[in-house]
Amino acid sequence: DIQMTQSPSSLSASVGDRVTITCRASQGISNKLGWFQQKPGKAPKSLIYAASSLQSGVPSKFSGSGSGTDFTLTISSLQPEDFATYYCQQYNSYPPSFGQGTKLEIK
Amino acid sequence: QVQLVQSGAEVKKPGASVKVSCKASGYSFTSYYIHWVRQAPGQGLEWMGMINPSGGNTVYAQNRITMTRDTSTSTVYMELSSLRSEDTAVYYCARDLWDSSGFLGYWGQGTLVTVSS
Repeated sequence: DIQMTQSPSSLSASVGDRVTITCRASQGISNKLGWFQQKPGKAPKSLIYAASSLQSGVPSKFSGSGSGTDFTLTISSLQPEDFATYYCQQYNSYPPSFGQGTKLEIK
Repeated sequence: QVQLVQSGAEVKKPGASVKVSCKASGYSFTSYYIHWVRQAPGQGLEWMGMINPSGGNTVYAQNRITMTRDTSTSTVYMELSSLRSEDTAVYYCARDLWDSSGFLGYWGQGTLVTVSS
């Protein structure tokens, strides 16, 4: 099975900041990597698929990059509604697997 | 629009089984795989398995899980048997974004299953 490791596990930032979250796969997954946002008490919401493609309706402040084993999610100009937990997911091979999450908190 | 509506919260005793439903609408039910993911309190996301609503074939992460579908009502079911306290979690169904991609593009609202004596 493919293990996904996110860093950092938590991150404090201010409104208006730009932040980057990293996700590393235990083996190469091409670009089969997606990102989710989850707010407390809510289901995850898909943001990005194929490493860098925005899901319909997701603002362009979210961007993704990477290929192979190393990927990043960047959020620009943080707003209060962006403070949440973010997860990566690989879908290159079964079983699909998730990173452990990165909690983005207001500084 | 794509909607996945799950059944309500459940409380079960250890050793019992629970069956959670996920009713799909807004798209061709048999064209996309449905997955189940769970999240224990304060924890991350754990993939449990998937079902192809077209042929009914399944892939499970563990052997206490059974997934079925009813094409007449566009509903998928996930049954977890021999429940233990560690199975207390929110259970989500989710649909592939496209075909059998494995990327979970649309999610249900979640169903809390509590296992307690």
